Amino acid sequence: NAGVTQTPKFQVLKTGQSMTLQCAQDMNHEYMSWYRQDPGMGLRLIHYSVGAGITDQGEVPNGYNVSRSTTEDFPLRLLSAAPSQTSVYFCASTYGGRGNTGELFFGEGSRLTVL
Amino acid sequence: KNEVEQSPQNLTAQEGEFITINCSYSVGISALHWLQQHPGGGIVSLFMLSSGKKKHGRLIATINIQEKHSSLHITASHPRDSAVYICAVRFLEGSQGNLIFGKGTKLSVKP
Repeated sequence: NAGVTQTPKFQVLKTGQSMTLQCAQDMNHEYMSWYRQDPGMGLRLIHYSVGAGITDQGEVPNGYNVSRSTTEDFPLRLLSAAPSQTSVYFCASTYGGRGNTGELFFGEGSRLTVL
Repeated sequence: KNEVEQSPQNLTAQEGEFITINCSYSVGISALHWLQQHPGGGIVSLFMLSSGKKKHGRLIATINIQEKHSSLHITASHPRDSAVYICAVRFLEGSQGNLIFGKGTKLSVKP
């Protein structure tokens, strides 16, 4: 039972570098999402997808890009990293469009530091 | 505006105590989730509620739709319950149907 697999767990970048956070789930979930978690704030939605080929922006999408070419994978790309993107990132999935049908499954998180 | 408020922000308890964590929200919802974030950072789902009450082991979650309020109770608390507990809400309108998260309640249970 892999659930949601998120990599890498830790990453240090220099300002201006690009990178991709990987997220994969093996539960055939339609809904996948990326959040960032910052001190003193709740999880905030970056981008989400309600199925393969469909993505949309969340609350804080600037500086991030996503694609959903398969049901299983939902990578998050940082195009040109900035110190403001230093955060902990979580990928999550659930069955059904927009997660209306039940339990959320989270990846283990990726701690990103941008110098 | 779609808002979720949790209280208290921080909570320290002695082992064995009964614990209550509160979540209130601003407007009508279709579902409310309680999540647990361990000190190592991983997040697991505890409950999803749309009405009434759910129980799993020593954890009980209740929701009052009219009052726009939910509570998470932990009976006979144990140090392993130490974690951040997060409330997340799906509003009926706005937020594109996506979840809005509270800031979390950090619980520390002392032996």
